[in-house]
Amino acid sequence: QVQLVQSGAEVKKPGSSVKVSCKASGGTFSSYAISWVRQAPGQGLEWVGGIIPIFGTATYAQKFQDRVTISADEFTSTAYMEVTSLTEDDTAVFYCARGTVRGYTSSWSDWGQGTLVTVSS
Amino acid sequence: IVMTQSPATLSVSPGERATLSCRASQSVSSYLAWYQQKPGQAPRLLIYDASTRATGIPARFSGSGSGTEFTLTISSLQSEDFAVYYCQHYYSWPQAFGPGTKVDIK
Repeated sequence: QVQLVQSGAEVKKPGSSVKVSCKASGGTFSSYAISWVRQAPGQGLEWVGGIIPIFGTATYAQKFQDRVTISADEFTSTAYMEVTSLTEDDTAVFYCARGTVRGYTSSWSDWGQGTLVTVSS
Repeated sequence: IVMTQSPATLSVSPGERATLSCRASQSVSSYLAWYQQKPGQAPRLLIYDASTRATGIPARFSGSGSGTEFTLTISSLQSEDFAVYYCQHYYSWPQAFGPGTKVDIK
């Protein structure tokens, strides 16, 4: 069973940036996709983007592609998501998730505990 | 690809059958997953490849469909099944989730 442990809650000012980490243990890291999912308070799940660490290139949902950067460090089995130009609308829980199978065509079977990002002046 | 789900809320009595629907705006073949989410918890994978139960998921959960129309059936609702259910396609990137169906107690 793979465990994903995310970094702790963040409080940020509007206009600033935040970087959230997701460390994997207990399984293969490099060839399984890692996705990031956003959930605003009381709202549904939004796919932000994802990466397969061995390939290194991230793909983003259109609404996030100008402000989000997803990266991965194979040596530490850690994925990162950075969001810039934060607004109060970015207040949300961000989850990382690992693919069920290798490659792009995969559901998400293992999830991190979530990181609450609060944007407030 | 846009995912839609119906109904938005489903009120069911314990022991009854629940049928949830998911539709994709274009074919996603069988690359469709269902997740359960309870308040304050991360989503939990129930079904992948449209009809394969994930590890440890009880047999009362079943999925069907292909192309653009999919169904999640919970054969006899238990108290722990009252939650929000999301479908998600992974046919291509970017992926997308549906808006969710809340299953609550009638």
